[in-house]
Amino acid sequence: DQQVKQNSPSLSVQEGRISILNCDYTNSMFDYFLWYKKYPAEGPTFLISISSIKDKNEDGRFTVFLNKSAKHLSLHIVPSQPGDSAVYFCAAENQGGKLIFGQGTELSVKP
Amino acid sequence: ETGVTQSPTHLIKTRGQQVTLRCSSQSGHNTVSWYQQALGQGPQFIFQYYREEENGRGNFPPRFSGLQFPNYSSELNVNALELDDSALYLCASSLRGQGSYEQYFGPGTRLTVT
Repeated sequence: DQQVKQNSPSLSVQEGRISILNCDYTNSMFDYFLWYKKYPAEGPTFLISISSIKDKNEDGRFTVFLNKSAKHLSLHIVPSQPGDSAVYFCAAENQGGKLIFGQGTELSVKP
Repeated sequence: ETGVTQSPTHLIKTRGQQVTLRCSSQSGHNTVSWYQQALGQGPQFIFQYYREEENGRGNFPPRFSGLQFPNYSSELNVNALELDDSALYLCASSLRGQGSYEQYFGPGTRLTVT
């Protein structure tokens, strides 16, 4: 039972353009959502989060949008840079602090 | 501020053996969670420790056990290793009770079971 899904295993974007990474979830009881970035041979790095009571959170080049009715969230990176190339995971937090992760999307930003 | 550290970095064990992985939490954090990440998958929650007690467990058998120490560092123990236990084991620390949900991960321990 995959409660958090990232249906695109990979995404390729030109430098300077917008990257949009998508995530769907099934459990309406999740109360917090997070995005992590992971480089090879490193642990996931926290990027940005959003509470279930909000629909948008912005931090510099990163913006997360939450559509509760569609059970969908997305991460926008503008402008994309080659250093953004990594695997991006969305995660949902249930009561008690357990993070449930999607399968990840590998972003490649080409110069 | 010291980040999350894990040891060892890599480990090779034989099926049936036992292994202990270690984690030091980020300074100021009181909660440690452990995750298993298989190749091509997202991390899977194993369990969480808060105030030296297990505080939530994922769908892992009892041969996966853990400890948290008074300084908030933690150990993950796996008994009777199986080939499918080969994975990256991630430790994450967080500050529970302050309204913060972010968990900060260490670099992981790559376990190979042969």
